[in-house]
Amino acid sequence: EAQVTQNPRYLITVTGKKLTVTCSQNMNHEYMSWYRQDPGLGLRQIYYSMNVEVTDKGDVPEGYKVSRKEKRNFPLILESPSPNQTSLYFCASSPGQGSFYEQYFGPGTRLTVT
Amino acid sequence: AQTVTQSQPEMSVQEAETVTLSCTYDTSESNYYLFWYKQPPSRQMILVIRQEAYKQQNATENRFSVNFQKAAKSFSLKISDSQLGDTAMYFCAFRGGGADGLTFGKGTHLIIQP
Repeated sequence: EAQVTQNPRYLITVTGKKLTVTCSQNMNHEYMSWYRQDPGLGLRQIYYSMNVEVTDKGDVPEGYKVSRKEKRNFPLILESPSPNQTSLYFCASSPGQGSFYEQYFGPGTRLTVT
Repeated sequence: AQTVTQSQPEMSVQEAETVTLSCTYDTSESNYYLFWYKQPPSRQMILVIRQEAYKQQNATENRFSVNFQKAAKSFSLKISDSQLGDTAMYFCAFRGGGADGLTFGKGTHLIIQP
């Protein structure tokens, strides 16, 4: 089944404790991205990657890191999480960049930082 | 940069009624796509319908249709014969020709009353 998977689905952590949220897709997509969703703000893009070893900042990159060492994986790293990073996170992928391509979303990761 | 505005934070209608969700956007691009996503309580992002900017004909998917007014930069979603399962957050989104991803509106919470 073609899908985007994220792990963990739920995570409660404390301020300053490094964490990684994994994202994997099995559709051989070139383009992957991370969004965060906050009440009243919709979804905002954090980082995106056009291909292996090619990443760039989205609208809200502060406090996050990403890497793209393999085409299928695009982990999101919070090196020193803070309470304002409490949010719902979505990974998405698409066959390529540009408006033609639909983005496929993962199931979301609910992160709480205390 | 483009912006997407959804002016209705919440709407409530009776089952079987028709409801229209509003969306306006601002962009200087001429080639782009517009999307409506549904987010039920499961939080999964589900693509409802999409519209190519260069197509004048409005997109339709079963009970869902759009009214795309390119000059007015308006992209409303009409749901006919609404059902209880239509209760969800609905997000309007824009994707241009660049490498960045989707720009989302803040969402409309639609409640279908029995």
